[in-house]
Amino acid sequence: ETGVTQTPRHLVMGMTNKKSLKCEQHLGHNAMYWYKQSAKKPLELMFVYSLEERVENNSVPSRFSPECPNSSHLFLHLHTLQPEDSALYLCASSRLASGGAGTGELFFGEGSRLTVL
Amino acid sequence: GNSVTQMEGPVTLSEEAFLTINCTYTATGYPSLFWYVQYPGEGLQLLLKATKADDKGSNKGFEATYRKETTSFHLEKGSVQVSDSAVYFCALRGGSARQLTFGSGTQLTVLP
Repeated sequence: ETGVTQTPRHLVMGMTNKKSLKCEQHLGHNAMYWYKQSAKKPLELMFVYSLEERVENNSVPSRFSPECPNSSHLFLHLHTLQPEDSALYLCASSRLASGGAGTGELFFGEGSRLTVL
Repeated sequence: GNSVTQMEGPVTLSEEAFLTINCTYTATGYPSLFWYVQYPGEGLQLLLKATKADDKGSNKGFEATYRKETTSFHLEKGSVQVSDSAVYFCALRGGSARQLTFGSGTQLTVLP
């Protein structure tokens, strides 16, 4: 199995739909992240979970709702999205050192390509 | 706050050409610096990193040197291959931060 697995790889949804993106990591890491990748823009950090507790929420609209039930799984629940939310959503994981600082290296999944009609 | 600025792409080179992708940063303290690569249809992978000034990260023929005096971490490769075609991201992690700050990425296309 690959280190970080995201499903689905592609998702098309209408603005009134509710869907979820799933991420699973098999690396024994204790931090997980959601990033948004749009064309010609820097990667945007959306959420960070450290030891299953949300520690960062970078002003993300409430139509995106993360869930981290355990250290291996991360979800991004989507509802009433807008066309400008169409992007590649990347999940990543890392190991935190004692004290909660990052060790630097993020391991990414292949992403979920979302299209909102 | 922290920020990373990369040269805009796309960059198109012939096989065996020399590659430089510029990256400069703004950060408080002493950040760690990274280059990630994203091949078509894949997620980002760590290419190389450097954690203190004057360190040189290297991998797969790519190199980058952490220059504190110029706040730069330029990526270089002496002879690129078609298989190097990808998007390259410069990133930093400042101090005790958990997450990375990324640049906007540079698309590289290598022609045979």
